[in-house]
Amino acid sequence: GDSVTQMEGPVTLSEEAFLTINCTYTATGYPSLFWYVQYPGEGLQLLLKATKADDKGSNKGFEATYRKETTSFHLEKGSVQVSDSAVYFCALSDRSGSARQLTFGSGTQLTVLP
Amino acid sequence: SQTIHQWPATLVQPVGSPLSLECTVEGTSNPNLYWYRQAAGRGLQLLFYSVGIGQISSEVPQNLSASRPQDRQFILSSKKLLLSDSGFYLCARSFRPNTEAFFGQGTRLTVV
Repeated sequence: GDSVTQMEGPVTLSEEAFLTINCTYTATGYPSLFWYVQYPGEGLQLLLKATKADDKGSNKGFEATYRKETTSFHLEKGSVQVSDSAVYFCALSDRSGSARQLTFGSGTQLTVLP
Repeated sequence: SQTIHQWPATLVQPVGSPLSLECTVEGTSNPNLYWYRQAAGRGLQLLFYSVGIGQISSEVPQNLSASRPQDRQFILSSKKLLLSDSGFYLCARSFRPNTEAFFGQGTRLTVV
């Protein structure tokens, strides 16, 4: 079945540092890929997405590129801010047409220190 | 608007008591609706999903149940709560397969 593997957290960075959160996936066919962000005490918000190979999703300075050859969708940001502190989830949605929908990774806690 | 309403925001219930969490959504009709649970420090676990009124698919056998009495209403229930039911419950919607899901703000349930 489908699966998503994220790098283990927690990740602690200083403000303005470079961020990478690794995500790899296993899926049948060509899934759509997503990054969600969860701020403390809140639900998940869609951060960015990519629907086909070599697509780059971007939002709020975050980027991720759909790499079919390495089955990866790593999240990057060039300069993190304290306000980026949150839990980040990688997810995929297969193209089987099933309503079962998204498969999530286990989440990566990011803390940015001033 | 594609707003998702969940209530209550927080809930403390004794072991053995019943549970009813409600989720209502606005906007496009006939959405796919989902209940997820997030245990402390853990990822998301899909509990139930529904593609239409009265249609419920269960992902994990447990003492929880779900119902969809109206197109835009999704209810999570239990007759007798267990300590292990504690967690953060999230309702979500999507419009069709292979598209992103949108989440409500969640309900923090503590069973004591």
